[in-house]
This record gives sequence, structure tokens and C-alpha cells, in this order.
Amino acid sequence: QSVLTQPPSVSAAPGQKVTISCSGSSSNIGNNYVSWYQQLPGTAPKLLIYDNNKRPSGIPDRFSGSKSGTSATLGITGLQTGDEADYYCGTWDSSLSAEWVFGGGTKLTVL
Amino acid sequence: EVQLLESGGGLVQPGGSLRLSCAASGFTFSSYAMSWVRQAPGKGLEWVSAISGSGGSTYYADSVKGRFTISRDNSKNTLYLQMNSLRAEDTAVYYCAKNVAPDYGDYGDYFDYWGQGTLVTVSS
Repeated sequence: QSVLTQPPSVSAAPGQKVTISCSGSSSNIGNNYVSWYQQLPGTAPKLLIYDNNKRPSGIPDRFSGSKSGTSATLGITGLQTGDEADYYCGTWDSSLSAEWVFGGGTKLTVL
Repeated sequence: EVQLLESGGGLVQPGGSLRLSCAASGFTFSSYAMSWVRQAPGKGLEWVSAISGSGGSTYYADSVKGRFTISRDNSKNTLYLQMNSLRAEDTAVYYCAKNVAPDYGDYGDYFDYWGQGTLVTVSS
């Protein structure tokens, strides 16, 4: 059971927009930055969003991030078949264990 | 260009040991914390262990504490993970990841580069 809760799957048609939610608590998302990682099939994770809403160089502006309270959201517009992947949110959790935590991951299917 | 190249994975019996390595290049290795993150077959990501840039501080997930040891050789730009008393539930792809902060847990830390991963299978 992950500390951060993501929907197991989302789907949308090419060209459409999709959002992926990441729900946490005050010990993690509520007081820390959130980052998002994209894992294409059979490959290593790749940084997509950091500091809630910043994109590393090379990441298209079709990808966006936001945070409100104890939840974060990844948005992807203009969906492409190449966006089919697993997406993970992550942040620091300052509860008893005090460690980095990931969401359970969301599989995006582009229909 | 930042590159992280893991090695050392393989098949090991329960109770056995394995040492993973991660060769880093393209950045000032000693300036950044480094982490190991694993992914069991068909499962999500799990942070396993981290070490500060200087190597003076180490951190472990409860699931591996007392069995795994993380270390680094800044003269060789290499990160290690010594895994002892391995269990079936340790079976996973192990990724090394570069932290953006000098020490794990520094405010604003995250993972900006990942290696390609090395598979560890614990089975008799």
C-alpha cells in the first residue's frame, strides 16, 4: 500500500487531454515538493516534472504539474501514442520513517 | 551527458549475497547524493537506500535495513549496494538514481537521472 494514492489506470484518445492525480497528506505532499516520473514500457523511469510544476529541459510543454494542499496533478495535453507509459508521483515523507515515497503508479493508455 | 550504468545483478539463492555497482559519468559525482530504487516484477517503484555526496551519511528503507549496505567511491565515480541475506521479496530491477541535492532528504530533493537498471532474482 503506497503512501501516495494514484489511480491504477487512465485512458484517453489521441489528441485529447488527461490528468493523473496523486493524493497524500500533510506529512508528504502538503509540505514538500512533488516530482513526476514517466516510465515507458521496458525502460527506466525518467524525470518529467519537478518542484510541483517545473519541466526539465527537453520535456514538451504538453506536460504540466500542479499542487493544491495535499494533492498533486499531472496533466498531459495533445495525447500521443508515444505517451503510453506508467506515471509515478514522488515526494519526501517526513513522518516516522522520514523517507522518499512514490505513488503506486498510473498506467496511461492512449486509445 | 549524465550516464549511470548499473551492473552486478543476477540469480542468487535465498540467504545469499550480491553486490551491485553503478558507474557514473557526466557530472561532479561527489557533489550529489545517490540512491537505489527498485521495482519488483509488475509492481511500482520503491526507494531502497541513499548516501550523501560525501559518503558520510547513509539511509535505508525499513525493508532492507540491517541487510543492505550502500557505499560510494568518489575517486572512481561509483556507487555500490551490498545486499546480504537476500529474500525472494528482494527480487526486482534495481535502479541507481542521481539526487539533485548534496544530501538525501534535503528540502527540494528529487531524482533527475536514472540508470537502465539491473535485475536481481532471488530464487532456489
